[in-house]
Amino acid sequence: GESVGLHLPTLSVQEGDNSIINCAYSNSASDYFIWYKQESGKGPQFIIDIRSNMDKRQGQRVTVLLNKTVKHLSLQIAATQPGDSAVYFCAEPYASGGSYIPTFGRGTSLIVHP
Amino acid sequence: DGGITQSPKYLFRKEGQNVTLSCEQNLNHDAMYWYRQDPGQGLRLIYYSQIVNDFQKGDIAEGYSVSREKKESFPLTVTSAQKNPTAFYLCASTDTGVDTEAFFGQGTRLTVV
Repeated sequence: GESVGLHLPTLSVQEGDNSIINCAYSNSASDYFIWYKQESGKGPQFIIDIRSNMDKRQGQRVTVLLNKTVKHLSLQIAATQPGDSAVYFCAEPYASGGSYIPTFGRGTSLIVHP
Repeated sequence: DGGITQSPKYLFRKEGQNVTLSCEQNLNHDAMYWYRQDPGQGLRLIYYSQIVNDFQKGDIAEGYSVSREKKESFPLTVTSAQKNPTAFYLCASTDTGVDTEAFFGQGTRLTVV
């Protein structure tokens, strides 16, 4: 299930299940999005990206869906494994004075039970 | 191997002390960033630099200072004015342009003792 509140939203799944992690963004002008994975005690790492002229992009076991109408992104992980346990962030570049600053969502903690 | 190196991995600071966190990259990226992460929270931007000898405040710059004297280096000083410095600090770099991913270091965990 998923819980929201003062703590990080958490998604718990069984090994082998498919996982879906959601992210809402606020800037309708954003045209590039990235999903990152952060394992405990480490820095975030790139998983997959998508441009606004696409609504779906697939990688190895991961798929990102973009719904610009409702400003929503999702990350789907197929056949989730214990090694997928981590915090997942969606990010978009925030335009500021001609620069683009990586800006991160709150994150979702994925827990995979063997 | 290209990447970002943060040091130290763990740092302990006494109340009232300034400490400096190191961040070095060999990716030839122009832009570098410092983020703070508290337990169960997202990443909050402290400072960023788009070019050598120039840097800008992020959302939570109070109590922190930076310098960018070299392209490869972007050290962060946590000053005594930062009242709650215990956190996980992450340094990142990007190439220029909108469609570019951020590369992160492994982080420095700072604890006030």
